[in-house]
Amino acid sequence: EAGVTQFPSHSVIEKGQTVTLRCDPISGHDNLYWYRRVMGKEIKFLLHFVKESKQDESGMPNNRFLAERTGGTYSTLKVQPAELEDSGVYFCASSQRTVSTDTQYFGPGTRLTVL
Amino acid sequence: EDQVTQSPEALRLQEGESSSLNCSYTVSGLRGLFWYRQDPGKGPEFLFTLYSAGEEKEKERLKATLTKKESFLHITAPKPEDSATYLCAVQFHRDDKIIFGKGTRLHILP
Repeated sequence: EAGVTQFPSHSVIEKGQTVTLRCDPISGHDNLYWYRRVMGKEIKFLLHFVKESKQDESGMPNNRFLAERTGGTYSTLKVQPAELEDSGVYFCASSQRTVSTDTQYFGPGTRLTVL
Repeated sequence: EDQVTQSPEALRLQEGESSSLNCSYTVSGLRGLFWYRQDPGKGPEFLFTLYSAGEEKEKERLKATLTKKESFLHITAPKPEDSATYLCAVQFHRDDKIIFGKGTRLHILP
């Protein structure tokens, strides 16, 4: 079974440009999460989808970030316009909650560098 | 504020030298505690989930335990391939997000 995949693996953009990150969750997982780690800090939550609905977007830093999950499958995270402080590694995770478990499985991440 | 603290920040061991990593948390309403392993340039790889105090889980040379305020990841007779950053994360009953600690960088010397 394929794990969580993310694209691209790396992205280098200029300040003010737009970047779109993509996440494909594990097939059948209704829950999809975005997290971010900036240099020297711990991984922090950005938002949570249940199917196509945003369940919790309390971690989104500001309105330059837009996440979508059309059709409840893959998700995109757009940063527009990008700022220097947006640099970091963006992780996507997915889970399928059952009675006994709610483990989140992570993708390899997208390393974003804003110059 | 809910907090997850891992110690030590870094640990160097000789191959075969057993030790433990600590994860303490100051949260109420814990739903689950997770351990992940992360290699450089990769995403967190799931190891264990613990749900209640007294629970233990094992996988190869690793054993995770949970009390009401902390968790330990015991590593027995480690090998160089166990070198990685080990992340602890907690999840609450009130929502589904998980809160990570900063991790412990483990280096096993051959």
